[in-house]
Amino acid sequence: ETGVTQSPTHLIKTRGQQVTLRCSSQSGHNTVSWYQQALGQGPQFIFQYYREEENGRGNFPPRFSGLQFPNYSSELNVNALELDDSALYLCASSSIAGETQYFGPGTRLLVL
Amino acid sequence: GENVEQHPSTLSVQEGDSAVIKCTYSDSASNYFPWYKQELGKRPQLIIDIRSNVGEKKDQRIAVTLNKTAKHFSLHITETQPEDSAVYFCAASIKLGKLIFGQGTTLQVKP
Repeated sequence: ETGVTQSPTHLIKTRGQQVTLRCSSQSGHNTVSWYQQALGQGPQFIFQYYREEENGRGNFPPRFSGLQFPNYSSELNVNALELDDSALYLCASSSIAGETQYFGPGTRLLVL
Repeated sequence: GENVEQHPSTLSVQEGDSAVIKCTYSDSASNYFPWYKQELGKRPQLIIDIRSNVGEKKDQRIAVTLNKTAKHFSLHITETQPEDSAVYFCAASIKLGKLIFGQGTTLQVKP
């Protein structure tokens, strides 16, 4: 198992609400990437944070935003939740932007 | 845009047989190709990766081959065991650690 942790493990929200997901990177890693994995699909890249700044973004709307803290942990925030946002949200950490990524266990979000 | 196609979507083999999963990527600038194994309800786990300056890499029963000219790479698992049963994802990366994943292959190894 990797040292990447995520919280919470499960979350149920209703349409229009806002959610914050958290990720603690593996010791020694300064880069965190976030992915959305819909049921039966491969993970889709949302964005990456390196040294507290966004360092690349996938095809996700601005209501998906993030932060990285000085200890390299990270948050994913999603505003105005939609039913299609229901998915497993994975974070992955790496030691240098672009190097091997190790995934956390994910947060399963259900939007009703 | 960037795209990774993965085949087959499901694969069933007898224990001890070999399994091969193939991926094709669209962007010739891709330079890093990891493979992840994801068991039901668990995190994707890196099982092997290869960079564009290498044609083949092996780790015990697992090997990956890369053909840059054809823009495809493959995962080979030999002497399959029931515990190899899982969903396998290939991915490609151009830069900034942005991984583009394939759709996944569900591998079933029958005892």
